[in-house]
Amino acid sequence: QKEVEQNSGPLSVPEGAIASLNCTYSDRGSQSFFWYRQYSGKSPELIMFIYSNGDKEDGRFTAQLNKASQYVSLLIRDSQPSDSATYLCAVWSGGSYIPTFGRGTSLIVHP
Amino acid sequence: NAGVTQTPKFQVLKTGQSMTLQCAQDMNHNSMYWYRQDPGMGLRLIYYSASEGTTDKGEVPNGYNVSRLNKREFSLRLESAAPSQTSVYFCASSEGGFNSPLHFGNGTRLTVT
Repeated sequence: QKEVEQNSGPLSVPEGAIASLNCTYSDRGSQSFFWYRQYSGKSPELIMFIYSNGDKEDGRFTAQLNKASQYVSLLIRDSQPSDSATYLCAVWSGGSYIPTFGRGTSLIVHP
Repeated sequence: NAGVTQTPKFQVLKTGQSMTLQCAQDMNHNSMYWYRQDPGMGLRLIYYSASEGTTDKGEVPNGYNVSRLNKREFSLRLESAAPSQTSVYFCASSEGGFNSPLHFGNGTRLTVT
C-alpha cells in the first residue's frame, strides 16, 4: 500500500524564520510530488510541484526532492503569520490516476 | 474563470434523507474526484472518474454513488444519509495523469443529525 507520511505538528516558528516541512513516501515508483496549503475552513490550494531530484524555487518557497531517500520537503523562507496553515503533501505514482495525500502538517508562525 | 464549483456550500440532513452534491469544472479537465475530509483523517478519496464515462471506487465508497454526467460535471449522491457521513466534501479535477495537479472546489460542509 502506498503511504505518504507527514508529521502532524504543529510546527511553530517565529516570524522571519525558515519553516521546514517534510514528507516521506513508500512507493519508489512515485514520479510527481505536490505541496498544497490549506487554511482552516478552506480548500487545499496548490503551492508547488516537483518532478526531478534537487531543488525548485518559487518566491519564498523551495521544494526539495530526494528520490533515493524517498522524501520531499518544503522550505518557507521569511515565514509570515499568513503562512500559518496546514500543508499537505501529495505523491503521484506513474500509471495511477490517483495521488496519495499525506495527512498534513500544521504550521504556526508567531509574531 | 470559476475553476471547480461545488454546490451547496452547507447542508444539514436528517438520518435517512438523501441528497446530491454537485460539482462542475470549466478547465476542460479529464479527471474528477470526490474526497471527504474529517479532523485527523486527512483527505480520503470516495470516488473518482479518470475520464468521461468512467468511474471507480476510492478508499471509502460505501454509502455513496457518483455520476459523471458529462466532461464538466461529477455528482456525488448520498442515498440514505448517516451521522458517520458528517464531513467536509471536496470535489477536485485534473487534466489526468501523474504530472497533473488536482484543483479543488471550495467544499461542502455536510451535517447529518
